[in-house]
Amino acid sequence: KNEVEQSPQNLTAQEGEFITINCSYSVGISALHWLQQHPGGGIVSLFMLSSGKKKHGRLIATINIQEKHSSLHITASHPRDSAVYICAVSLNNNDMRFGAGTRLTVKP
Amino acid sequence: NAGVTQTPKFQVLKTGQSMTLQCAQDMNHEYMSWYRQDPGMGLRLIHYSVGAGITDQGEVPNGYNVSRSTTEDFPLRLLSAAPSQTSVYFCASSYIFFSSTDTQYFGPGTRLTVL
Repeated sequence: KNEVEQSPQNLTAQEGEFITINCSYSVGISALHWLQQHPGGGIVSLFMLSSGKKKHGRLIATINIQEKHSSLHITASHPRDSAVYICAVSLNNNDMRFGAGTRLTVKP
Repeated sequence: NAGVTQTPKFQVLKTGQSMTLQCAQDMNHEYMSWYRQDPGMGLRLIHYSVGAGITDQGEVPNGYNVSRSTTEDFPLRLLSAAPSQTSVYFCASSYIFFSSTDTQYFGPGTRLTVL
């Protein structure tokens, strides 16, 4: 079983919809990351969080340490949000583990 | 700032050949790392470094070697290329690994094919 599980694997939404991507992990972590990988392959770090909630524009990330679960929300989705969203965790020994990613397609 | 740069962008090797993937950053970041990305498997950490002169193994280190002689550079060496090393390789850096306010910066990737 993968140490970081994401759901769903694929997600198609209409422009304007509220989107939620989930991440569960089974190991002890020092932080959790949400990354965005564009269709061209480039990777951008969206959030790094160890507790609570962070917001940046239309993106919101939350983490529940007790339940070992994080969610990434996108409000008022737009076609330019189409990308692969990757959840990753920083382990306590400097190592990192990644989820397989969620492919999001937002249709106009 | 150029950020994180990687060279080459594409490379084709024959089995048994060796080569070095270059990674450099100009942000004075202490933490640097190498990942490989394979279809359906997500990113996996190969090696990382928390500062010049300090390196350690990640999840999939076999067949790869690294060194960190300067803060800026973190090359990844393939000692004897194998078809199983066909992948897209990403280098990343961040200022302080455990800081909750920090973020990782990724290079553009190197697509490697081993025949």
